[in-house]
Amino acid sequence: DAGITQSPRHKVTETGTPVTLRCHQTENHRYMYWYRQDPGHGLRLIHYSYGVKDTDKGEVSDGYSVSRSKTEDFLLTLESATSSQTSVYFCAISESDTYEQYFGPGTRLTVT
Amino acid sequence: RKEVEQDPGPFNVPEGATVAFNCTYSNSASQSFFWYRQDCRKEPKLLMSVYSSGNEDGRFTAQLNRASQYISLLIRDSKLSDSATYLCVVTVNYGGSQGNLIFGKGTKLSVKP
Repeated sequence: DAGITQSPRHKVTETGTPVTLRCHQTENHRYMYWYRQDPGHGLRLIHYSYGVKDTDKGEVSDGYSVSRSKTEDFLLTLESATSSQTSVYFCAISESDTYEQYFGPGTRLTVT
Repeated sequence: RKEVEQDPGPFNVPEGATVAFNCTYSNSASQSFFWYRQDCRKEPKLLMSVYSSGNEDGRFTAQLNRASQYISLLIRDSKLSDSATYLCVVTVNYGGSQGNLIFGKGTKLSVKP
Protein backbone atom coordinates (compact mmCIF):
# COMPACT_ATOMS: atom_id res chain seq x y z
CA ASP A 1 0.00 0.00 0.00
CA ALA A 2 1.11 3.54 -0.76
CA GLY A 3 2.41 5.40 2.28
CA ILE A 4 -0.39 7.87 2.85
CA THR A 5 -1.80 8.83 6.20
CA GLN A 6 -4.55 11.24 7.11
CA SER A 7 -5.21 12.92 10.41
CA PRO A 8 -7.45 13.09 12.23
CA ARG A 9 -9.40 10.03 11.08
CA HIS A 10 -12.58 11.23 12.73
CA LYS A 11 -13.62 14.68 13.86
CA VAL A 12 -16.76 16.29 15.17
CA THR A 13 -16.80 20.06 15.21
CA GLU A 14 -19.28 22.88 15.55
CA THR A 15 -20.51 25.22 12.84
CA GLY A 16 -18.29 28.25 12.48
CA THR A 17 -15.10 26.71 13.84
CA PRO A 18 -11.95 26.34 11.75
CA VAL A 19 -10.81 22.83 10.92
CA THR A 20 -7.55 21.60 9.38
CA LEU A 21 -7.09 18.13 7.94
CA ARG A 22 -3.65 16.78 7.24
CA CYS A 23 -2.42 14.43 4.55
CA HIS A 24 1.08 12.99 4.84
CA GLN A 25 2.88 10.86 2.24
CA THR A 26 6.15 8.99 2.30
CA GLU A 27 6.27 8.29 -1.46
CA ASN A 28 7.77 11.63 -2.55
CA HIS A 29 5.03 12.00 -5.18
CA ARG A 30 4.67 15.39 -6.79
CA TYR A 31 0.88 15.51 -7.01
CA MET A 32 -1.50 15.55 -4.07
CA TYR A 33 -5.27 15.89 -4.06
CA TRP A 34 -8.16 16.45 -1.69
CA TYR A 35 -11.57 14.93 -2.45
CA ARG A 36 -14.84 14.75 -0.62
CA GLN A 37 -17.30 11.87 -0.89
CA ASP A 38 -20.99 12.23 -0.15
CA PRO A 39 -23.95 9.89 -0.63
CA GLY A 40 -25.41 10.32 -4.10
CA HIS A 41 -22.24 11.88 -5.45
CA GLY A 42 -19.03 10.48 -6.80
CA LEU A 43 -15.79 11.61 -5.27
CA ARG A 44 -15.38 15.29 -6.04
CA LEU A 45 -12.11 17.17 -6.26
CA ILE A 46 -11.70 20.06 -3.83
CA HIS A 47 -8.12 21.24 -4.44
CA TYR A 48 -4.94 19.75 -5.74
CA SER A 49 -1.23 20.48 -5.63
CA TYR A 50 1.36 19.94 -8.34
CA GLY A 51 4.35 20.84 -6.21
CA VAL A 52 5.46 22.66 -3.09
CA LYS A 53 3.49 25.91 -2.84
CA ASP A 54 1.73 25.11 -6.15
CA THR A 55 -1.96 24.51 -5.73
CA ASP A 56 -5.12 24.94 -7.75
CA LYS A 57 -8.87 24.68 -7.33
CA GLY A 58 -11.00 21.70 -8.17
CA GLU A 59 -14.69 21.25 -8.75
CA VAL A 60 -15.94 22.08 -5.24
CA SER A 61 -13.37 24.47 -3.75
CA ASP A 62 -15.66 27.09 -2.18
CA GLY A 63 -15.19 27.22 1.59
CA TYR A 64 -11.86 25.37 1.49
CA SER A 65 -8.23 26.41 1.33
CA VAL A 66 -5.07 24.34 1.08
CA SER A 67 -1.39 24.67 1.70
CA ARG A 68 1.66 22.64 0.77
CA SER A 69 4.89 23.82 2.35
CA LYS A 70 6.64 20.44 2.07
CA THR A 71 6.46 17.67 -0.52
CA GLU A 72 5.10 15.23 2.03
CA ASP A 73 2.32 17.31 3.58
CA PHE A 74 -0.88 18.71 2.11
CA LEU A 75 -3.26 20.53 4.43
CA LEU A 76 -6.94 21.19 3.86
CA THR A 77 -8.53 23.98 5.90
CA LEU A 78 -12.16 24.78 6.42
CA GLU A 79 -11.98 28.39 7.58
CA SER A 80 -15.47 28.35 9.10
CA ALA A 81 -17.06 24.93 8.99
CA THR A 82 -20.68 24.55 7.87
CA SER A 83 -23.02 21.58 8.10
CA SER A 84 -22.80 21.14 4.32
CA GLN A 85 -19.13 20.27 4.80
CA THR A 86 -20.01 17.15 6.75
CA SER A 87 -18.43 14.50 4.58
CA VAL A 88 -15.69 11.94 4.19
CA TYR A 89 -12.49 13.55 2.98
CA PHE A 90 -9.90 11.58 1.03
CA CYS A 91 -6.40 12.59 0.18
CA ALA A 92 -4.71 11.09 -2.88
CA ILE A 93 -1.23 11.14 -4.37
CA SER A 94 0.15 10.58 -7.82
CA GLU A 95 3.56 10.57 -9.51
CA SER A 96 2.17 12.36 -12.54
CA ASP A 97 -1.03 14.10 -13.46
CA THR A 98 -1.85 11.35 -15.96
CA TYR A 99 -1.03 8.44 -13.71
CA GLU A 100 -3.27 6.55 -11.34
CA GLN A 101 -3.89 8.04 -7.92
CA TYR A 102 -3.56 6.33 -4.57
CA PHE A 103 -5.81 7.22 -1.71
CA GLY A 104 -5.39 7.69 2.00
CA PRO A 105 -7.75 6.07 4.51
CA GLY A 106 -10.03 9.09 4.75
CA THR A 107 -11.22 11.49 7.43
CA ARG A 108 -14.84 11.46 8.58
CA LEU A 109 -15.83 15.01 9.46
CA THR A 110 -19.11 15.90 11.12
CA VAL A 111 -20.11 19.54 11.50
CA THR A 112 -22.92 20.01 14.02
CA ARG B 1 -25.10 15.23 -19.21
CA LYS B 2 -23.07 13.93 -16.27
CA GLU B 3 -19.38 13.48 -16.94
CA VAL B 4 -19.17 9.84 -15.91
CA GLU B 5 -22.26 7.67 -15.70
CA GLN B 6 -22.60 4.20 -14.27
CA ASP B 7 -25.51 1.92 -13.44
CA PRO B 8 -25.71 2.19 -9.64
CA GLY B 9 -26.88 -1.39 -9.22
CA PRO B 10 -26.88 -3.23 -6.94
CA PHE B 11 -25.83 -6.25 -8.90
CA ASN B 12 -26.59 -9.35 -6.85
CA VAL B 13 -24.90 -12.40 -8.30
CA PRO B 14 -24.05 -15.93 -7.11
CA GLU B 15 -20.48 -17.05 -6.63
CA GLY B 16 -18.94 -18.15 -9.89
CA ALA B 17 -21.06 -15.85 -12.03
CA THR B 18 -19.73 -13.53 -14.69
CA VAL B 19 -20.75 -9.91 -14.26
CA ALA B 20 -20.21 -6.87 -16.48
CA PHE B 21 -20.21 -3.20 -15.55
CA ASN B 22 -20.57 -0.41 -18.05
CA CYS B 23 -19.62 3.23 -17.91
CA THR B 24 -19.99 6.18 -20.29
CA TYR B 25 -18.10 9.45 -20.19
CA SER B 26 -18.89 12.80 -21.76
CA ASN B 27 -15.50 14.44 -22.24
CA SER B 28 -14.06 13.24 -25.53
CA ALA B 29 -10.68 14.73 -24.56
CA SER B 30 -10.29 12.35 -21.62
CA GLN B 31 -6.97 10.55 -21.84
CA SER B 32 -6.71 8.10 -18.97
CA PHE B 33 -9.23 5.62 -17.68
CA PHE B 34 -9.35 3.48 -14.58
CA TRP B 35 -11.49 1.14 -12.55
CA TYR B 36 -11.28 1.47 -8.78
CA ARG B 37 -12.99 -0.62 -6.17
CA GLN B 38 -14.21 0.72 -2.87
CA ASP B 39 -15.16 -1.41 0.09
CA CYS B 40 -17.69 -0.13 2.58
CA ARG B 41 -16.26 2.76 4.62
CA LYS B 42 -12.83 2.36 3.02
CA GLU B 43 -10.79 4.34 0.54
CA PRO B 44 -10.96 3.68 -3.21
CA LYS B 45 -8.26 1.33 -4.42
CA LEU B 46 -7.01 1.04 -7.96
CA LEU B 47 -8.24 -2.12 -9.61
CA MET B 48 -6.83 -1.60 -13.07
CA SER B 49 -6.04 0.96 -15.71
CA VAL B 50 -7.95 0.72 -18.98
CA TYR B 51 -6.08 0.79 -22.27
CA SER B 52 -7.39 1.28 -25.78
CA SER B 53 -6.40 -2.24 -26.74
CA GLY B 54 -8.22 -3.71 -23.77
CA ASN B 55 -6.44 -5.40 -20.90
CA GLU B 56 -6.85 -8.33 -18.60
CA ASP B 57 -5.70 -9.03 -15.06
CA GLY B 58 -6.63 -12.49 -13.90
CA ARG B 59 -10.41 -12.67 -13.69
CA PHE B 60 -10.83 -9.02 -14.62
CA THR B 61 -11.02 -7.65 -18.15
CA ALA B 62 -11.37 -3.97 -19.04
CA GLN B 63 -12.33 -2.56 -22.41
CA LEU B 64 -12.35 0.98 -23.81
CA ASN B 65 -14.27 2.23 -26.81
CA ARG B 66 -13.18 5.80 -27.48
CA ALA B 67 -15.57 6.29 -30.39
CA SER B 68 -18.55 5.48 -28.19
CA GLN B 69 -16.95 6.95 -25.03
CA TYR B 70 -17.66 3.71 -23.25
CA ILE B 71 -15.70 1.67 -20.72
CA SER B 72 -16.48 -1.78 -19.42
CA LEU B 73 -15.29 -4.14 -16.71
CA LEU B 74 -15.91 -7.87 -16.83
CA ILE B 75 -15.45 -10.04 -13.76
CA ARG B 76 -15.38 -13.79 -14.33
CA ASP B 77 -15.85 -16.49 -11.71
CA SER B 78 -17.04 -14.02 -9.07
CA LYS B 79 -15.81 -14.49 -5.52
CA LEU B 80 -17.40 -13.37 -2.27
CA SER B 81 -14.43 -11.03 -1.85
CA ASP B 82 -15.38 -9.22 -5.06
CA SER B 83 -18.33 -7.65 -3.22
CA ALA B 84 -17.65 -3.91 -3.31
CA THR B 85 -18.54 -0.76 -5.19
CA TYR B 86 -16.76 -0.39 -8.53
CA LEU B 87 -15.90 3.14 -9.62
CA CYS B 88 -15.35 4.17 -13.21
CA VAL B 89 -12.82 7.00 -13.43
CA VAL B 90 -11.66 9.25 -16.28
CA THR B 91 -9.26 12.16 -16.45
CA VAL B 92 -10.25 15.70 -17.34
CA ASN B 93 -8.48 19.06 -17.45
CA TYR B 94 -8.60 21.36 -14.47
CA GLY B 95 -6.44 24.46 -14.64
CA GLY B 96 -2.93 23.58 -15.70
CA SER B 97 -3.19 19.90 -14.89
CA GLN B 98 -4.06 17.33 -17.51
CA GLY B 99 -5.13 14.49 -15.36
CA ASN B 100 -7.54 15.26 -12.56
CA LEU B 101 -9.88 12.38 -12.02
CA ILE B 102 -13.64 12.44 -12.42
CA PHE B 103 -15.37 9.60 -10.64
CA GLY B 104 -18.60 7.90 -11.46
CA LYS B 105 -20.91 7.28 -8.54
CA GLY B 106 -20.10 3.60 -8.62
CA THR B 107 -21.82 0.30 -9.20
CA LYS B 108 -22.42 -1.87 -6.18
CA LEU B 109 -21.73 -5.58 -6.51
CA SER B 110 -22.86 -8.16 -4.01
CA VAL B 111 -21.69 -11.74 -4.54
CA LYS B 112 -23.74 -14.31 -2.67
CA PRO B 113 -22.78 -17.87 -1.66
